[in-house]
Amino acid sequence: NAGVTQTPKFQVLKTGQSMTLQCAQDMNHNSMYWYRQDPGMGLRLIYYSASEGTTDKGEVPNGYNVSRLNKREFSLRLESAAPSQTSVYFCASSSTGSTDTQYFGPGTRLTVL
Amino acid sequence: AQTVTQSQPEMSVQEAETVTLSCTYDTSESDYYLFWYKQPPSRQMILVIRQEAYKQQNATENRFSVNFQKAAKSFSLKISDSQLGDAAMYFCAYRTPYGGATNKLIFGTGTLLAVQP
Repeated sequence: NAGVTQTPKFQVLKTGQSMTLQCAQDMNHNSMYWYRQDPGMGLRLIYYSASEGTTDKGEVPNGYNVSRLNKREFSLRLESAAPSQTSVYFCASSSTGSTDTQYFGPGTRLTVL
Repeated sequence: AQTVTQSQPEMSVQEAETVTLSCTYDTSESDYYLFWYKQPPSRQMILVIRQEAYKQQNATENRFSVNFQKAAKSFSLKISDSQLGDAAMYFCAYRTPYGGATNKLIFGTGTLLAVQP
């Protein structure tokens, strides 16, 4: 049972480069999320998708774009990476409903030089 | 806006002993969900326990239990018979009950738990 998978696990970029973080879930969940984790700040929501074809901004969306490709996949794109985007990125998913719990992927550690 | 506060950046416990991690939150909602997530060195976020605010009974999962004080807006995690594998960062999190597009978690800053053999 794979749950939520993320690729890559580690990435180093130079300032100004672009990249896409991939996330997929096999739990037939409707909702998917991207968080970033910075030291001393807990996890903060970047973007979320309540269902296929819809996306909405979270707490810290600047510098990011997302695509909900289908029900399984939700990607996060950095168009022009900045050192302030050095962080650990987590994807999560949940079913739609008032009792649902979010399940997390293993995270991607991104360093922008 | 809702906030979650974990006032203990680090805690330490002896193996087989009991430790309590603190969490307070602020909300104007009467119904909500609270969670404790564990993050070991592997970085994986693992759900430890959840509590529905409308339930008076404290949630329990094996060696993990919570002390939920709704009026005080307090949600502490007790780990009994601590094991070396319990060493991790623990995050307290809050979520509104509405589901759908508002189903986002609000996290505290975490408590790093060390378990001494």
